[in-house]
Amino acid sequence: TQLLEQSPQFLSIQEGENLTVYCNSSSVFSSLQWYRQEPGEGPVLLVTVVTGGEVKKLKRLTFQFGDARKDSSLHITAAQPGDTGLYLCAGPKAAGNKLTFGGGTRVLVKP
Amino acid sequence: KAGVTQTPRYLIKTRGQQVTLSCSPISGHRSVSWYQQTPGQGLQFLFEYFSETQRNKGNFPGRFSGRQFSNSRSEMNVSTLELGDSALYLCASSLVAGELYEQYFGPGTRLTVT
Repeated sequence: TQLLEQSPQFLSIQEGENLTVYCNSSSVFSSLQWYRQEPGEGPVLLVTVVTGGEVKKLKRLTFQFGDARKDSSLHITAAQPGDTGLYLCAGPKAAGNKLTFGGGTRVLVKP
Repeated sequence: KAGVTQTPRYLIKTRGQQVTLSCSPISGHRSVSWYQQTPGQGLQFLFEYFSETQRNKGNFPGRFSGRQFSNSRSEMNVSTLELGDSALYLCASSLVAGELYEQYFGPGTRLTVT
C-alpha cells in the first residue's frame, strides 16, 4: 500500500481545459512536494508546501496543502501541451529524511 | 550552476552480470539519494548518502549497494543482475538533509537486463 495515493492515475484532456490532481494520505506530513517528470528525464521539483492550508501559485499551476497536512492538490488552469508529463507528489517519512513518492498521475494535454 | 549528472544514460547488461552507475550532484550538495523507477512500482527509494555515510536505506536486497566519495560524487552497484532490475535509476542531490529535503534529480540511467 502506497503511503501517498494519487488520483487519477491517468488524465487526458484538450488544450485549454482545467485539471486537478490529488495526493492523499492517512498520515500527516511535515511538507509535501510536487514534481513533474517528462519522458526520458528525471523529475523536476515544482513546489514545496509546508503549512496546513497553504496555497501556492506557479503561473497556471495552483498547489494546495490540506489543513490537516494529509493531502494536497495540484490544479492546472487552461492546460497546454507543454503541461504533459507525469506528476508526482512526495513527502518525507517520519523516520529519517527519505522521501516517499505517490504512484504518479500521467497527464496528457492534446492540442 | 550545473545540474545533477548521471552516467551512463543507457546500459544493457545480461543476467548475472554486475553494473556500476555514477552520479555527480549539484556543486555544494552533500546529500545524494538513489531511486529505482519502474512502471509497476513507481519511484522507490534505494539509499541516501550524506558526507560519505549511508544515512537511510530502502527495502532492497543486498545486491544493491552504493558509496559516496569525499567530493560528494556517488556510485551505486548492482551485482548478480536479474531481469527485474531493469528500470530507470535516478540519482537526486539535496543541499541539506533537513526537514524540507527538496531533491534535484538527474536524468537517470536506463538499465535493461536481458
